[in-house]
Amino acid sequence: EAGVTQFPSHSVIEKGQTVTLRCDPISGHDNLYWYRRVMGKEIKFLLHFVKESKQDESGMPNNRFLAERTGGTYSTLKVQPAELEDSGVYFCASSQDQITDTQYFGPGTRLTVL
Amino acid sequence: GQNIDQPTEMTATEGAIVQINCTYQTSGFNGLFWYQQHAGEAPTFLSYNVLDGLEEKGRFSSFLSRSKGYSYLLLKELQMKDSASYLCAVPFSGGYNKLIFGAGTRLAVHP
Repeated sequence: EAGVTQFPSHSVIEKGQTVTLRCDPISGHDNLYWYRRVMGKEIKFLLHFVKESKQDESGMPNNRFLAERTGGTYSTLKVQPAELEDSGVYFCASSQDQITDTQYFGPGTRLTVL
Repeated sequence: GQNIDQPTEMTATEGAIVQINCTYQTSGFNGLFWYQQHAGEAPTFLSYNVLDGLEEKGRFSSFLSRSKGYSYLLLKELQMKDSASYLCAVPFSGGYNKLIFGAGTRLAVHP
C-alpha cells in the first residue's frame, strides 16, 4: 500500500510569489490533515478535511493560505502571496477514521521564502 | 489549553537503553501517540496508548499514566539507526482528531 505522498519535496520562492503544495493521502482515507513545522518549533495543525469538506481550519494562519480537496482525494495548499514567515516544512497526514485513529504522515514539503 | 513537554536532546550509547519522557496537560484525554522522525523524512507512527500501563512492541515500549499526565518511550538495545527525533502527540480534546505535538526529542546514538 502506497503511503502519503507530497509534492514538491522542496520549494524555494521569493516573497510575494505564489506556491501550491500537493498531498495525496493513502487510498481510502477520508481524513486529511495539513500541519506545519517552522524552524525550531513544534509541528502545528493547520486544517482537517473529511472527504472534500473542511472539518476544522482553526490552525490556518491567515487568508493568504487556501486549502482545497476537490473530489475528496488529493489536496492542495496554496500560499498567496508568500511571506518570509511562511518558511517551514509542511506535512500532510491521512487517517481512515476520525476519532483517535492513527494519522500517517507524508515526508513533507520544505518551503523556503526568500 | 493543551501543553506537551519533552526533553530537547538526549544522547545514548549503542546497545544501551534510553527512556524519553513526555508530560502533558489537557482538559480531556483521547490517548497519546509517539512518532519517530528521521531528518528530512515523514514522522512514522510508533505507538498509541489510551490506557494506563506499558505496551511493548519489540525493542520499543511505551508507558502511560493518565493520573500523572505522563508517558515515556523506552528504547532497548539501541542501534545507530535509532538516532532520530521522537515526537509525543495528543489528540485535541475538543472532539476532533487534530494532533497537538511536543517539540520533539532529538536522540543521538553513539558507538
